[in-house]
Amino acid sequence: DTGVSQDPRHKITKRGQNVTFRCDPISEHNRLYWYRQTLGQGPEFLTYFQNEAQLEKSRLLSDRFSAERPKGSFSTLEIQRTEQGDSAMYLCASSVTGVSGNTIYFGEGSWLTVV
Amino acid sequence: AQTVTQSQPEMSVQEAETVTLSCTYDTSESDYYLFWYKQPPSRQMILVIRQEAYKQQNATENRFSVNFQKAAKSFSLKISDSQLGDAAMYFCAYRSGLPGNKLVFGAGTILRVKS
Repeated sequence: DTGVSQDPRHKITKRGQNVTFRCDPISEHNRLYWYRQTLGQGPEFLTYFQNEAQLEKSRLLSDRFSAERPKGSFSTLEIQRTEQGDSAMYLCASSVTGVSGNTIYFGEGSWLTVV
Repeated sequence: AQTVTQSQPEMSVQEAETVTLSCTYDTSESDYYLFWYKQPPSRQMILVIRQEAYKQQNATENRFSVNFQKAAKSFSLKISDSQLGDAAMYFCAYRSGLPGNKLVFGAGTILRVKS
């Protein structure tokens, strides 16, 4: 199965440290999304890429957050100087353009705990 | 900005019975898509059913069907013959038909299935 894969699945870090998450989308999916989900809440949009271009960023994405998709394939989400409020699940998703409204597929998420 | 509201934080259903989960949304757009996603505990979010706003016919997928009321901006999910495996968090989501169409999620409804 070549679904959306995320790594690591779980990360515990000390406040102030930097963390990086990686997402590998479904092959040939040119759109890639990052969402954040806290316990008991729905996912909140962070940013999305079409190929290597970052086309939209949410106001939730503070300057401590940076996302890249250098070759239009995998993506990384880095959080610098982590804070306890960053503790959440970070979801990656992908889709393919060409058919408006087509399905967005999600990965299993990367859990971040900041202590 | 579009918003999605799920007014039922938690629902319970007896195995083999039918349950309906509610969702309302707010938008000024005419071209959009609506989705129900299922997220089992600690597992991947998967698509249950989708509805195109331009279609009058309600979508169905096996035991899952929707009641789409465009004028009322309502999009409920009916699960028939509930099974233990249906227990999960269910999210209603909206997606604009415009380019850059990210998903906007509701807060979710926890569905418990009793045997």
